[in-house]
Amino acid sequence: DVKVTQSSRYLVKRTGEKVFLECVQDMDHENMFWYRQDPGLGLRLIYFSYDVKMKEKGDIPEGYSVSREKKERFSLILESASTNQTSMYLCASSSSLHEQFFGPGTRLTVL
Amino acid sequence: ILNVEQSPQSLHVQEGDSTNFTCSFPSSNFYALHWYRWETAKSPEALFVMTLNGDEKKKGRISATLNTKEGYSYLYIKGSQPEDSATYLCAFATNFGNEKLTFGTGTRLTIIP
Repeated sequence: DVKVTQSSRYLVKRTGEKVFLECVQDMDHENMFWYRQDPGLGLRLIYFSYDVKMKEKGDIPEGYSVSREKKERFSLILESASTNQTSMYLCASSSSLHEQFFGPGTRLTVL
Repeated sequence: ILNVEQSPQSLHVQEGDSTNFTCSFPSSNFYALHWYRWETAKSPEALFVMTLNGDEKKKGRISATLNTKEGYSYLYIKGSQPEDSATYLCAFATNFGNEKLTFGTGTRLTIIP
């Protein structure tokens, strides 16, 4: 059974904290993605990676960075969390030009 | 940023009835159109990936069609069941050579028993 896992389902952080969201996939996929989902806005792409150590900005990269040191792991970093980064964060992976497989999501609240 | 629109935003359908909804996307630089189903408290799951104009795909009671020249896709559900209640997302991929998908905001479907 294919799987994308995320480190936390729920997370509460304070403004200014550095936040790490981890995503691991076991399908040997080249591509990994980070999205955020907000009511009325749908899924918006933050960053994606098509290979180890490679990354590309999505539609809303401001305030975020990413790291992909191993093929199976893709981390999203909030350098200094702000209240407008309160959201649901979804990780996904895919092999080339195919459907994406999603993790369960992390609901992040920044106080 | 590419514009992918879905309509309606939400829909209530009586159990047993059939329904359909629409995804509109840019007709230029088309590569693929994805449909995902996202049930509450679960992860989005892929239903279809469609690449050819005129494509029709079917999975059980759910089917989809694709018109790349005019930039729309329809998703049909025949004989709706309570387990069909979910948000249905479409996503558009361009032929720019990368894996990026642009998602619509979804159609939230509720089946009334």
